[in-house]
Amino acid sequence: ETVLTQSPGTLSLSPGERATLSCRASQSVRSNYLAWYQHKPGQAPRLLIYGASTRASGIPDRFIGSGSGTDFTLTISRLEPEDFVIYYCQQYGGSPFTFGPGTRVDVK
Amino acid sequence: EVQLVESGGGPAQPGRSLRLSCTTSGFSFGDSAMSWFRQAPGKGLEWVGFISRGTTDYAASVKGRFTISRNDSSSIAYLQMNSLKTEDTAVYYCARGHTMIFYWGQGTLVTVSS
Repeated sequence: ETVLTQSPGTLSLSPGERATLSCRASQSVRSNYLAWYQHKPGQAPRLLIYGASTRASGIPDRFIGSGSGTDFTLTISRLEPEDFVIYYCQQYGGSPFTFGPGTRVDVK
Repeated sequence: EVQLVESGGGPAQPGRSLRLSCTTSGFSFGDSAMSWFRQAPGKGLEWVGFISRGTTDYAASVKGRFTISRNDSSSIAYLQMNSLKTEDTAVYYCARGHTMIFYWGQGTLVTVSS
């Protein structure tokens, strides 16, 4: 099983600032099949990035995915008020399709 | 418009069974894999399993207790949950696909308690 570790657990920033979220895998993710989701309380998760760096349809260009192998990053270039929620990475390169524990982005 | 609506959640006692349904519309259900995920209170997202044509796969935590099935003629996916445990308490989401997930339902809460 591929274990995903996300850091930091909580990120406290102000609107307009840049957020850098990390996701590290316990083994190389096959074909960089790594996705990032945004999850707001009471709502369904929203796919932001797949294939490590491809933005999903309708996702603003301030969300940038990068990385390969075992180290991946989600960058939010300029935080908007609606971005202060929880973000999860997920690998879908092999079963079980594991998630990281999440990074919460809080208003500083 | 793609829609997925879960139903069947609610309270259940440990050891009992519950069946969740995921009613879908707006896409070619028969050509789509369907997945289930869950989120326990205060915890992160967890993959439960998927069904794709004749193939199913499950997380170790539910294997042997949960079964995913589908009715292609009515575009509904099911999650049969047997031998429920208190740790199965969660919001359960159905989703279209089994890799990266574009479409999710809004979730249904299952509470397992004596």
